[in-house]
Amino acid sequence: AQSVTQLDSQVPVFEEAPVELRCNYSSSVSVYLFWYVQYPNQGLQLLLKYLSGSTLVKGINGFEAEFNKSQTSFHLRKPSVHISDTAEYFCAVTPGSNYKLTFGKGTLLTVNP
Amino acid sequence: NAGVTQTPKFQVLKTGQSMTLQCAQDMNHEYMSWYRQDPGMGLRLIHYSVGAGITDQGEVPNGYNVSRSTTEDFPLRLLSAAPSQTSVYFCASSYSTGGYNSPLHFGNGTRLTVT
Repeated sequence: AQSVTQLDSQVPVFEEAPVELRCNYSSSVSVYLFWYVQYPNQGLQLLLKYLSGSTLVKGINGFEAEFNKSQTSFHLRKPSVHISDTAEYFCAVTPGSNYKLTFGKGTLLTVNP
Repeated sequence: NAGVTQTPKFQVLKTGQSMTLQCAQDMNHEYMSWYRQDPGMGLRLIHYSVGAGITDQGEVPNGYNVSRSTTEDFPLRLLSAAPSQTSVYFCASSYSTGGYNSPLHFGNGTRLTVT
């Protein structure tokens, strides 16, 4: 079985500041990693994913994440956030199938003017 | 395309009542699933289906039933509602079960309160 730890439950930042949302995972097998975003009163949507290859992956809306196998981390970053980035962000891992997808507890990103 | 449609958006039940949460997708996805989202708990898988006529239990199946008679629909039934089932419920689907190449598409959720 695998587990996901999102180290911060809430991250407040000012508009145009950089942000990093931290995610660590544990697994006895290789996993695929994802970040999903949930805007207020909506379902989740895929932000980006790491399957293999380059450890730096780029997603929608200017977000990127870096896979670090030695530290078992998959942190999400954006160099300059906007008000519209206010949302909850979920890190998720799976060894292969969607029914084995494990979500973290989420990080609420609040971007203030 | 409508994507994944959930109805109703809000529901209030009394303890012991039963109800069905509806989920429909128009993307011809084989895989469908139900999650519940509780504050500070993330998303937990209730039941899932890998195709019409095939369902299986997830992490928290107790108190819920599902069936999959068509590719498009995957209703979630609460047999006898309890306050512990107060939650936001999400239906999600994907083209295949392979999470590596088939990300989940989520509905907008049903907010259920059991009093």
